[in-house]
Amino acid sequence: AQSVTQPDIHITVSEGASLELRCNYSYGATPYLFWYVQSPGQGLQLLLKYFSGDTLVQGIKGFEAEFKRSQSSFNLRKPSVHWSDAAEYFCAVGPRSNDYKLSFGAGTTVTVRA
Amino acid sequence: EAGVVQSPRYKIIEKKQPVAFWCNPISGHNTLYWYLQNLGQGPELLIRYENEEAVDDSQLPKDRFSAERLKGVDSTLKIQPAELGDSAVYLCASSRENQETQYFGPGTRLLVL
Repeated sequence: AQSVTQPDIHITVSEGASLELRCNYSYGATPYLFWYVQSPGQGLQLLLKYFSGDTLVQGIKGFEAEFKRSQSSFNLRKPSVHWSDAAEYFCAVGPRSNDYKLSFGAGTTVTVRA
Repeated sequence: EAGVVQSPRYKIIEKKQPVAFWCNPISGHNTLYWYLQNLGQGPELLIRYENEEAVDDSQLPKDRFSAERLKGVDSTLKIQPAELGDSAVYLCASSRENQETQYFGPGTRLLVL
């Protein structure tokens, strides 16, 4: 069965510092991969996605993620965090088929300190 | 382009009462999803529609939950009767037919007392 693991429940980072959020997945084949962000009281906003091609993908708000097949990972990074990046981040995977059922990780909460 | 619209944004009810949530997907999106998000967890799919047809409702607790999408656009998710454990955020998402990227609404936060 597919599963998504986000090992870090909570990360605190200083404003201006770099951020990396980890995501590991267990899947029968290379899935589609997504990162979503959820601000307090809001729905999920798509940050970026990987389907194929270049394993380093760029997203909105200065985020990027790297797909590493050998490690079954899709880690999210940002070089310099802004206070507005404080939110919860979800990694999700979906099958390469007509069954577009996303499986989400439990999320990582990011706190940004001044 | 307007995003996915959901209402109400917040709902407080007493247990055993019925409750309904409404979702209007992005225009042109044939696929609609309802997700349940418990506190501190990621969303879990309840049901997926392709136009009017529920193509995946395997995770929907059919004893108390029901959903409909009569004209292939708006959708309603209902709980009757609500239980304390139903307190959660109910998210609606939509996507174009045969497209992998899902776009989410702001969700409805339900509190059952």
